[in-house]
Amino acid sequence: NAGVTQTPKFQVLKTGQSMTLQCAQDMNHEYMSWYRQDPGMGLRLIHYSVGAGITDQGEVPNGYNVSRSTTEDFPLRLLSAAPSQTSVYFCASRRGGGLRHGEQYFGPGTRLTVT
Amino acid sequence: GENVEQHPSTLSVQEGDSAVIKCTYSDSASNYFPWYKQELGKGPQLIIDIRSNVGEKKDQRIAVTLNKTAKHFSLHITETQPEDSAVYFCAASITGNQFYFGTGTSLTVIP
Repeated sequence: NAGVTQTPKFQVLKTGQSMTLQCAQDMNHEYMSWYRQDPGMGLRLIHYSVGAGITDQGEVPNGYNVSRSTTEDFPLRLLSAAPSQTSVYFCASRRGGGLRHGEQYFGPGTRLTVT
Repeated sequence: GENVEQHPSTLSVQEGDSAVIKCTYSDSASNYFPWYKQELGKGPQLIIDIRSNVGEKKDQRIAVTLNKTAKHFSLHITETQPEDSAVYFCAASITGNQFYFGTGTSLTVIP
């Protein structure tokens, strides 16, 4: 199993550009999520999904869109990048949502810089 | 939403000593508390977790304690080793769908 994979590893965007961060998992996990990590602020949840076709907002959803058309993939879209979106982005997955399924597996991250 | 505070932000210990990291949470409805270790350039990895119906949990050199009344929980690492050097994050969740993380503790174990 590759686990949780993210592409690209690094990306530089200009303000106003759009892009999609890719996330895939091969563990047949129902729950997937996106976080951003900024210095001194820990990880903050952007969006999450408890299954294909179901998405919900996390703590900091503004400026980001998600969709979940398959169990395996959970892409994160930046429609119009802003310098405030410069961050390291992590995708994670769990066997399921709710409290029954403990461990969340994180991908290696995407470092995004918006100039 | 939930607010999780974590202290200290940095911690240095001698190899073999113990390390303690503390977190407090604001929402008494939180009932799942995982701890993650993040090594440089990698994603966080779960090292231990505890649910609100348990006061303490151990796994070899790592233990977590939970005080629901005071709304705080702590990570204890005994007999620290250089490979324990990393950033540690606590988190809290009410439903198991949304997780709120602390700001992290950078632990350095000095050989």
